[in-house]
Amino acid sequence: AQTVTQSQPEMSVQEAETVTLSCTYDTSENNYYLFWYKQPPSRQMILVIRQEAYKQQNATENRFSVNFQKAAKSFSLKISDSQLGDTAMYFCAFMKYTGNQFYFGTGTSLTVIP
Amino acid sequence: NAGVTQTPKFRVLKTGQSMTLLCAQDMNHEYMYWYRQDPGMGLRLIHYSVGEGTTAKGEVPDGYNVSRLKKQNFLLGLESAAPSQTSVYFCASSARTGQFSNQPQHFGDGTRLSIL
Repeated sequence: AQTVTQSQPEMSVQEAETVTLSCTYDTSENNYYLFWYKQPPSRQMILVIRQEAYKQQNATENRFSVNFQKAAKSFSLKISDSQLGDTAMYFCAFMKYTGNQFYFGTGTSLTVIP
Repeated sequence: NAGVTQTPKFRVLKTGQSMTLLCAQDMNHEYMYWYRQDPGMGLRLIHYSVGEGTTAKGEVPDGYNVSRLKKQNFLLGLESAAPSQTSVYFCASSARTGQFSNQPQHFGDGTRLSIL
């Protein structure tokens, strides 16, 4: 079975600063995908960034980047130049290569302080 | 650009009542999913479907039934609602996974369901 762990229930960061959200996972699969989703107060789930396990290069998407450590089964999200609109719940998710089921972590609530 | 639409957005039920949540997607996606979101527990998969006419159980299927009679619709039913089913329900859809292609899930806006 796959498990995804987010050990930081809540975090805060000053506007314009950088923050890193942690995610670890457990799997026996060799090929898989990892995602970060953002859920603002509006409740909508928004895809932030994705990473393929077979790629060594870390994914980046504007101010968002990941640190993917396959051997350590770690997938952290770095948000640079934090903005007030980044305030949201962030979920880490795992998907097996051979399937289409997502496994979500319990989320990290991020607050950006003006 | 409707994407994934969930109906209704809010509902209050009494214990023992039944109801159906509707999910509709206009992206021609093969896969559809129903999740529930509870505080401190993230999203948990209830049921999913890999195509029209097929359904499968997820992590927490008990007390729920689903149907996928049309490709664009995925219905979630509660036959006899219980207070433990008070939650926010999310529907999602995604395209079929191909080799070296990852297809993220597109989510609806959620349905807040309260069982008294």
